[in-house]
Parts: sequence; C-alpha cells; structure tokens
Amino acid sequence: QKEVEQNSGPLSVPEGAIASLNCTYSDRGSQSFFWYRQYSGKSPELIMSIYSNGDQEDGRFTAQLNKASQYVSLLIRDSQPSDSATYLCAVAGSGNTGKLIFGQGTTLQVKP
Amino acid sequence: GAVVSQHPSWVICKSGTSVKIECRSLDFQATTMFWYRQFPKQSLMLMATSNEGSKATYEQGVEKDKFLINHASLTLSTLTVTSAHPEDSSFYICSASKGAQLGEQFFGPGTRLTVL
Repeated sequence: QKEVEQNSGPLSVPEGAIASLNCTYSDRGSQSFFWYRQYSGKSPELIMSIYSNGDQEDGRFTAQLNKASQYVSLLIRDSQPSDSATYLCAVAGSGNTGKLIFGQGTTLQVKP
Repeated sequence: GAVVSQHPSWVICKSGTSVKIECRSLDFQATTMFWYRQFPKQSLMLMATSNEGSKATYEQGVEKDKFLINHASLTLSTLTVTSAHPEDSSFYICSASKGAQLGEQFFGPGTRLTVL
C-alpha cells in the first residue's frame, strides 16, 4: 500500500513565525511532490511543486525534498492568519499514471 | 494560467434522481481529468481518472455504473451520479492535468451535493 503520511495537527504558530509542515512517503520511486492548501469548505489550491532533491522557494514558501529519507517539507515564513488552513502533501507515484496520493493533511492555525 | 471550473457549485436533489456535474479547463487543454470525493474532516479520495475519448479508469470500490464519467473533449469532463442516495452526499472535486509535469493537477472549486 503506497502511503503518504502527515501529522494531522493542529499545528499552532504565532503570527510572524515560521511554520514547518512535514510529510513522508512510502513509494521510493515517486517522482513529483506537491503541497496544496485547502481552506475549510473549499477545494485544494496548488502552492508548491518540487521534483528534485533540495529546496524550492516561492515567496514565503519553501518546499524541501529528501528522496533518500523519503521526506518532503513545507516551510512558511512570516506566517499570517490568512495562512490558517489545511495543508495537503501529495505525491505522484512511480506508476507514471499522473495520479496523486494525498496525505491526510495538517491543519495550521496562525494566531494573531 | 490553469483555471478549472465546475458547475454547479452546489446541488440539492431528492433520493433516486440523477445529478450531472461539469468540469471544464478554461485556459488549457487537459490531457487527463480526475474526479475526487471528500467527506467532512477527511482527505481527498480519488474516484476515477479520465482521458479524452476513452473510458474512465475507476478506483477500487467505486461503482462505475453509479458514477458515470464522460470526457467529451480536452476541456470538458462530466460526472453523473445516478440514482443518488443520502450516502452519496459529499463534496465532489475535479482536477485537470496539462500533462507537462507528472502529477501536477489543478483543481476546480468543487460541487457540494446534498441528497435528501
């Protein structure tokens, strides 16, 4: 069973702090990794994609990938109350189908 | 851009009726479209994968005769929930892939279905 695991949280951080969200995956052949943000009652929104080891930065967001450890993380700098949402880690497996395997999501609460 | 629309955004129907949900990629041609279902406090559950002009591939446990998927063009896919029952009430979300990057999917806004 190919799995993606996340800590469900909630993760609570004060406004302005760095929020760190983590994700592990079981399929060692996975090729593509994504972070989606989902506000309550809304659909997921793609915020970061990462395909090779190392860091990928976009504004306040940094995705980190370590394929050897099968670990993906998302850092959110200068967290804002508007960042409060559920963050879904998604992995495209080795089957080349384009299908994503989603983690259960981590709920982030940014307190003013 | 990568904008995906869904219609309707919400629907209420009586038990036993059928409901059709449309998913459109507005500014790109989607090689593949996906249909998900999400229950409250749960993650997304993939129902099926569809490619234009071919039959959809359903995930294990999803009844293909109940959830009819038609992918008529590179910008339109439809999901029909046939003979809907209260247990089919859920948030249905489609996504579309450009095919440029494996796994990269852009989601529609979702359709909230309530079956009375």
